[in-house]
Amino acid sequence: QSVLTQPPSVSGAPGQRVTISCTGSSSNIGAGYAVHWYQHLPGTAPKVLIYGNNNRPSGVPDRFSGSKSGTSASLAITGLQAEDEADYYCQSYDSSLSGSLFGGGTKLTVL
Amino acid sequence: EVQLVQPRAEVKKPGESLKISCKASGYSFSTYYIAWVRQMPGKGLEWMGIISPGDSDTRYSPSFQGQVTMSADESSSTAYLQWSSLKASDTAIYFCARNLAVAGTPSYYFDYWGQGTLVTVSS
Repeated sequence: QSVLTQPPSVSGAPGQRVTISCTGSSSNIGAGYAVHWYQHLPGTAPKVLIYGNNNRPSGVPDRFSGSKSGTSASLAITGLQAEDEADYYCQSYDSSLSGSLFGGGTKLTVL
Repeated sequence: EVQLVQPRAEVKKPGESLKISCKASGYSFSTYYIAWVRQMPGKGLEWMGIISPGDSDTRYSPSFQGQVTMSADESSSTAYLQWSSLKASDTAIYFCARNLAVAGTPSYYFDYWGQGTLVTVSS
């Protein structure tokens, strides 16, 4: 079964750096397909933070960065702020599904 | 300005049919695929499938194949998601999103999203 695995939760104090991992397999991240990251606040539309592994859309602060290696990817957030408290999802293409796949999501708590 | 507008909520009974909409504006509707994404209560995002408004090319996630039908109307720049017989387990928020391809690959991401339609199925 094709899955992207994320930790259910991460936390950090204001100003700190946190990372969220996204582990896939040879049919998605490991096959070289790009990883994208979204921020989702309940009751709102998800927002793309990182596309194509490490690209930020216009308007996304440079506190957010993405990386990819092998079958995994990571989202890093530096200078943590209270407004960063949200759910974060990774997404990639999967050749077994011939379609897209989301990670299970990670809830970020700012202490 | 690109916008995807969805009705906020629909309430239906089990066994009823439903068609929800996603009206696009601010770009050439036929040029980009539209995706549908489900979020069940307290759960994460699930990719349901995509449709190309230009030629109605449609691809469903295996989890949703045969359960829903995607369609699009170019004349009104609107995409649709429909059910013929709803179940209580269809209760969820359904988002539409515009697909943007990653050049040279079959991969894509979702650059604009609707606000989501909360579908409640209850007797």
